[in-house]
Amino acid sequence: EAQVTQNPRYLITVTGKKLTVTCSQNMNHEYMSWYRQDPGLDLRQIYYSMNVEVTDKGDVPEGYKVSRKEKRNFPLILESPSPNQTSLYFCASMKDASRYEQYFGPGTRLTVT
Amino acid sequence: GQSLEQPSEVTAVEGAIVQINCTYQTSGFYGLSWYQQHDGGAPTFLSYNGLDGLEETGRFSSFLSRSDSYGYLLLQELQMKDSASYFCAVRGFYFGSGTKLNVKP
Repeated sequence: EAQVTQNPRYLITVTGKKLTVTCSQNMNHEYMSWYRQDPGLDLRQIYYSMNVEVTDKGDVPEGYKVSRKEKRNFPLILESPSPNQTSLYFCASMKDASRYEQYFGPGTRLTVT
Repeated sequence: GQSLEQPSEVTAVEGAIVQINCTYQTSGFYGLSWYQQHDGGAPTFLSYNGLDGLEETGRFSSFLSRSDSYGYLLLQELQMKDSASYFCAVRGFYFGSGTKLNVKP
């Protein structure tokens, strides 16, 4: 089944404790992105990657890191989480830019206390 | 920069037709996409308009006018399961703030 998976789905952590949210897709897609969604429904792009070893900042990259060492994986790293990073995070992948058809993972609900 | 505007909420009855509008301002244009998101779920792709005109996919249609920087999503024969939030997006990455559609029996 074609899908984007994220782990963990839920995470409660404390300020300053480094964490990684994994994202993997099995569709051989070139593009991958991370978004955060806060109450009020806004989806904002954090980082994106157009190919292996190619990453770039989205609208809200501060406090986040990413890497793309393999085509299928695109982990999101919070090196020193803060309460304002409490949010719902989505990973997405896209084959190419012909239709901008993104496939989203199920989401990771992160709470930083 | 990019900016997209959508109504925050729309209410309609089952079986009716509803139109969700999206106006945008972008530096460069790469098409308008539409996504559906149910409460607690992930966004799912509905349609894409790269050129002016209407795209139809079953009960859903999407329209684009590049000269007016405007598009809309049209949902016909509304069903209760259509109650969700709907987002327009430019370049696939810049999302509007979403329109919550409430379908009433």
